[in-house]
Amino acid sequence: NFMLTQPHSVSESPGKTVTISCTGSGGTIARDYVQWYQQRPGSAPTTVIFEEKQRPSGVPDRFSGSIDSSSNSASLTISGLKTEDEADYYCQSYDRGIWVFGGGTKLTVL
Amino acid sequence: QLQLQESGPGLVRPSATLSLTCDVAGDAVSNTFYYWAWIRQPPGKGLEWIGTIYFTGSTWYNPSLKSRLTISVDTSKNQFSLKLTSVTAADSAVFYCARHRAYSSANFDSWGQGALVTVSS
Repeated sequence: NFMLTQPHSVSESPGKTVTISCTGSGGTIARDYVQWYQQRPGSAPTTVIFEEKQRPSGVPDRFSGSIDSSSNSASLTISGLKTEDEADYYCQSYDRGIWVFGGGTKLTVL
Repeated sequence: QLQLQESGPGLVRPSATLSLTCDVAGDAVSNTFYYWAWIRQPPGKGLEWIGTIYFTGSTWYNPSLKSRLTISVDTSKNQFSLKLTSVTAADSAVFYCARHRAYSSANFDSWGQGALVTVSS
């Protein structure tokens, strides 16, 4: 079974850059696109990156996505951190008829 | 603007059937470019894809739920529904309905606000 594994939590200071990883197992992560969602407490998730590195309108270019095939992982990088970026982040992809989410990473900006 | 709204009982007894409906406004569930999905999130935990349906009735289910799950679509009412049988406390969650483009790599681009369902006697 295809699974996506994320670190439980990361923290960084305002103005810095943070990278959240998403490692695939049981399949090749580069086989299909990876999306990233931001979820604030009490709200539904919203897309910050789709199709590996595309940003929906309204998402600042401080958010970027990438894939590293050698490590079978995807990454979400947020630069110039703001306190408003504090949220849970989920990666998501697809494998043979199943849509899969990573376990989520809590980003603390302090 | 697309709006998705989940509705259904907030409390379900153990071993009963959980039923939810997602009303769609601002788009047609028969739109050939989109799939419609259910996703859940147990309290304090991560997101879990439940299943996806196309307006033709084609479905894709999470293998872990497949034996208990039915997702259906009603184009005349512009809604789609979820039925999960034999529920236990582990099925307690916020249930979201969502839309995604009709290809595998598409993101879930619109979500409902979520409906909390608690399984308890």
